[in-house]
Amino acid sequence: QKEVEQNSGPLSVPEGAIASLNCTYSDRGSQSFFWYRQYSGKSPELIMFIYSNGDKEDGRFTAQLNKASQYVSLLIRDSQPSDSATYLCAVNMRSNTGKLIFGQGTTLQVKP
Amino acid sequence: GAVVSQHPSRVICKSGTSVKIECRSLDFQATTMFWYRQFPKQSLMLMATSNEGSKATYEQGVEKDKFLINHASLTLSTLTVTSAHPEDSSFYICSASGPRGYEETQYFGPGTRLLVL
Repeated sequence: QKEVEQNSGPLSVPEGAIASLNCTYSDRGSQSFFWYRQYSGKSPELIMFIYSNGDKEDGRFTAQLNKASQYVSLLIRDSQPSDSATYLCAVNMRSNTGKLIFGQGTTLQVKP
Repeated sequence: GAVVSQHPSRVICKSGTSVKIECRSLDFQATTMFWYRQFPKQSLMLMATSNEGSKATYEQGVEKDKFLINHASLTLSTLTVTSAHPEDSSFYICSASGPRGYEETQYFGPGTRLLVL
């Protein structure tokens, strides 16, 4: 079992729709969770982090964390073509070495 | 805030030469910096973790004598690819642990694209 799993996609949604990106992780003791966006040929950029169970909203983005189910998700409301990118889920696991464990990423395509 | 720069953004070199890549945290001090490599259409691969003033910790399978890391200050880490070969051609990206209160968050530099001929 991979430590952090994401569906590689591509996930295709029409412009204006809600895109839902999912991630599961293996270490139940994990403490902090991150979503990064990576455009083709560019480096990752931080979208959000979440530490506590529940929802955290920032503009069109909502991160959801359920530690009991070892599940973290990212919702993008009113999806735009400019949101088309690969979304990386990253987890700081119990050992807290500072290292992040990244999922393989989900490619999102927002069609006009 | 939390801006990380890398230099150079792109480098082309001949096989056998060494290349140095700089990673700087511009508006904060980073206790830890990380170096990643990414091949086309693949995920990030962590190469090493470096803390200011101490030796870097390399991931399994990464040659420490080939990829030299120096973390000279809380704002600067360098990666030197020694005796580069075409198979070292890749996208090298650094990240820095965030400022006080955000130490668990990693902020990425823009990356350096290395092409070895």
